[in-house]
Amino acid sequence: QKEVEQDPGPLSVPEGAIVSLNCTYSNSAFQYFMWYRQYSRKGPELLMYTYSSGNKEDGRFTAQVDKSSKYISLFIRDSQPSDSATYLCAMTKTSYDKVIFGPGTSLSVIP
Amino acid sequence: EAQVTQNPRYLITVTGKKLTVTCSQNMNHEYMSWYRQDPGLGLRQIYYSMNVEVTDKGDVPEGYKVSRKEKRNFPLILESPSPNQTSLYFCASTPGQGRGENEKLFFGSGTQLSVL
Repeated sequence: QKEVEQDPGPLSVPEGAIVSLNCTYSNSAFQYFMWYRQYSRKGPELLMYTYSSGNKEDGRFTAQVDKSSKYISLFIRDSQPSDSATYLCAMTKTSYDKVIFGPGTSLSVIP
Repeated sequence: EAQVTQNPRYLITVTGKKLTVTCSQNMNHEYMSWYRQDPGLGLRQIYYSMNVEVTDKGDVPEGYKVSRKEKRNFPLILESPSPNQTSLYFCASTPGQGRGENEKLFFGSGTQLSVL
């Protein structure tokens, strides 16, 4: 079993839709949870990061962590064509440990 | 502009021909690392460096070498490339292991390597 699993998609939604991207993980020691966005032919960029369980909101993006279920989500409201990218979940045990990445979900937002 | 710069962006080579991919960051970051990205496997760490002259193996170090002689540069060396090293490579840096910001990785734009 992989340490971090993510539905690879591709996911295609109409502009304005609410998008839900999800990851599951197996190691209960993970405490820091991140979402990176990767545009085609570019390196990943940090989009959201949360510590432990709970929600974090930043504009149209909400990151949610449920440690009891070992499940994290990224919600995108009012999705835009510019949100079309691959979204990588990532996590680490402490701020000093190696970051483990999921394989990524490809999202297309159709105008 | 704060950035991580990798070169070249694209590289096609043949089996056994030594190559180097350069990586440079201008943010004075202590921690630098190399990843390879393959479909379905995500980003896997090859090597990392916590500071000058300090390097260590990641998850998939076989067939790769690195060096960290200066804080800003962290080249990736393939002494004898093989076709299974065909991949998309990323260099990344973070402010520093000691400052506990390991999760905030800054990535370069990537190097697409094809080994024939």
